[in-house]
Order: sequence, then C-alpha cells, then structure tokens
Amino acid sequence: NAGVTQTPKFRVLKTGQSMTLLCAQDMNHEYMYWYRQDPGMGLRLIHYSVGEGTTAKGEVPDGYNVSRLKKQNFLLGLESAAPSQTSVYFCASRQGTTHNYGYTFGSGTRLTVV
Amino acid sequence: AQSVTQLDSHVSVSEGTPVLLRCNYSSSYSPSLFWYVQHPNKGLQLLLKYTSAATLVKGINGFEAEFKKSETSFHLTKPSAHMSDAAEYFCVVSDTSGAAGNKLTFGGGTRVLVKP
Repeated sequence: NAGVTQTPKFRVLKTGQSMTLLCAQDMNHEYMYWYRQDPGMGLRLIHYSVGEGTTAKGEVPDGYNVSRLKKQNFLLGLESAAPSQTSVYFCASRQGTTHNYGYTFGSGTRLTVV
Repeated sequence: AQSVTQLDSHVSVSEGTPVLLRCNYSSSYSPSLFWYVQHPNKGLQLLLKYTSAATLVKGINGFEAEFKKSETSFHLTKPSAHMSDAAEYFCVVSDTSGAAGNKLTFGGGTRVLVKP
C-alpha cells in the first residue's frame, strides 16, 4: 500500500524559479491538503481540495497555486520561489467529511530556496 | 475559529520515567482532537484520536490522552518512556462543523528528548 506519495523528496531552488510538487494517493480519498512545516509553528495549511476539480485557500496561501485535475493527484505550484518558502511541505488526504476518518500524511518534501 | 497551544516546546525525560505532554485547545464546535508523532526526517504518524466517544483515549506504543472539556485540555501521557519515543509530538484539533473540509489546526510541537 503506497498511501500518500510525494515527489520530489528534496529540492533546492534559486529565487525566482518555479516548480511543482506532486502528491499522489491511491486510497480513493476525496479530501487532500497541502501543509508547510516550519520550526516552532507546527503545520500550517496552504491549500486544500474537497474533491476533483475543486480547490480552496488555507491559512497561508500566498505565493502558491494548486490544481486537482484528477482525484488521486494534488499539485502544489510555486510560480516564483522566495527564500521565505524554504520549508518542509506535507501532503495529506482523508476519506470524507466525518471526523472519524483519519488523515494519511506523505513523508514530506524538503524545499530550500537560495 | 480554532487554535491549539502546546505548553512545552521541549520535554526531557529519563528512560523508564513517565512522559507528560500538555495541550490546550479552543474550538467553536465540538472538536476532534489528535496527537501525531514525527520522528526525525520522517512524516507524521497518528498516535491517537478523540472523536466524542470515551474521554480517555488509548493509542499506539503505550500512549494515552484524556479529553477534559472543562479544562479544554488534551494532555498526552505514557507511563514509561523508551528511547524510541524521542521525537516531536503535535497536538491537533479538527473542525467538526463540516466547513472547510474539516481542516486540521496544529500546535507548535513538543520535542521529546529521552535520556538513557
């Protein structure tokens, strides 16, 4: 069982470059999320999706865009990377709205912007 | 609105002694509460969850947490720490209103050091 797979695992970008982080889940989950993790701040929600073709802003959406063209994939894009976007990015998915359904997290993408 | 405060950023314990990680929350709705653990350079693993059933919740690896509504707390405990418990722990609240996809709000994390 692959669960939630994030690619790449590591990346170094120069300021102003663009990139896309891919999250893929094989559990047929409706809901998908992108978080960033920074020291002392826990995880903060960037964007999320409640189904194929839908996306919504989270707590810290500026500088990021997302797309959910296929149910199993949730892409996070950085159009013009900035050093403030240096972080560890986690993708998560869950089955539905009922809070009894747990979240499954990917193993993270460590991004450094120089 | 919801928020989570983990009262200790670092906790140091000796192997074999009890562990207490403190968490207070605020939520406009009846919350679901979780504890996640993150080992170095790894993803997040669910330890346990409270979803309005029993207030004392047992999780994996000997951890348990008690939901106290009057104190808005959800402290995590383990009777006897093991070296493998060294990790960062996150207290998390989920909005159960159904709005915003039941997104999670994380505390700032507590890093646990276990001394031999």
